[in-house]
Amino acid sequence: GAVVSQHPSWVICKSGTSVKIECRSLDFQATTMFWYRQFPKQSLMLMATSNEGSKATYEQGVEKDKFLINHASLTLSTLTVTSAHPEDSSFYICSARSGTGVVDEQFFGPGTRLTVL
Amino acid sequence: AQSVTQPDIHITVSEGASLELRCNYSYGATPYLFWYVQSPGQGLQLLLKYFSGDTLVQGIKGFEAEFKRSQSSFNLRKPSVHWSDAAEYFCAVGGGGGNKLTFGTGTQLKVEL
Repeated sequence: GAVVSQHPSWVICKSGTSVKIECRSLDFQATTMFWYRQFPKQSLMLMATSNEGSKATYEQGVEKDKFLINHASLTLSTLTVTSAHPEDSSFYICSARSGTGVVDEQFFGPGTRLTVL
Repeated sequence: AQSVTQPDIHITVSEGASLELRCNYSYGATPYLFWYVQSPGQGLQLLLKYFSGDTLVQGIKGFEAEFKRSQSSFNLRKPSVHWSDAAEYFCAVGGGGGNKLTFGTGTQLKVEL
């Protein structure tokens, strides 16, 4: 199957700083990328959907000014957590798919563990 | 709104025993259903999916799932579990605006040797 990478795999930062997480589709062009957040022992919660070249669509309750998403190319999307606080500590997962329908398989990255001190 | 329930948080089975992981969904139309497996340090991997047609779906690694509309269920089964199957399993339903996936809370599978 297709490969999606995330960088970094883990990051520790001080409260108030910003952190950028990269998501790359390595061997296919991703027209759509998704960002999820996963709390311990809980499900993946969709944060936003981004299509290449357009603004991301955020899920209800997700602060778009806090979680900045950029999908500048067909192989790269970034999530920037601005002014991070301890409650932002979580496991962030991206996925990518080459089509626009739910029937098109999403390929998931390995995730990024963010710890805010 | 679509939702998924996985009633079992943890399941422990002996290697070689059969396995069934439960999944119930709520969706207003014909659902698109998925099972994923998550291993530490790895991304979620698709085991199988159901869109239409035969209600018994075969997937990778010897897994299968059966769609039962009357019970709103999509349970995952494997006849004989291997120690390498120990992982977290997620059921998901797709659709809705933006063709999004909604995940269940997952079932942690432990395999005893």
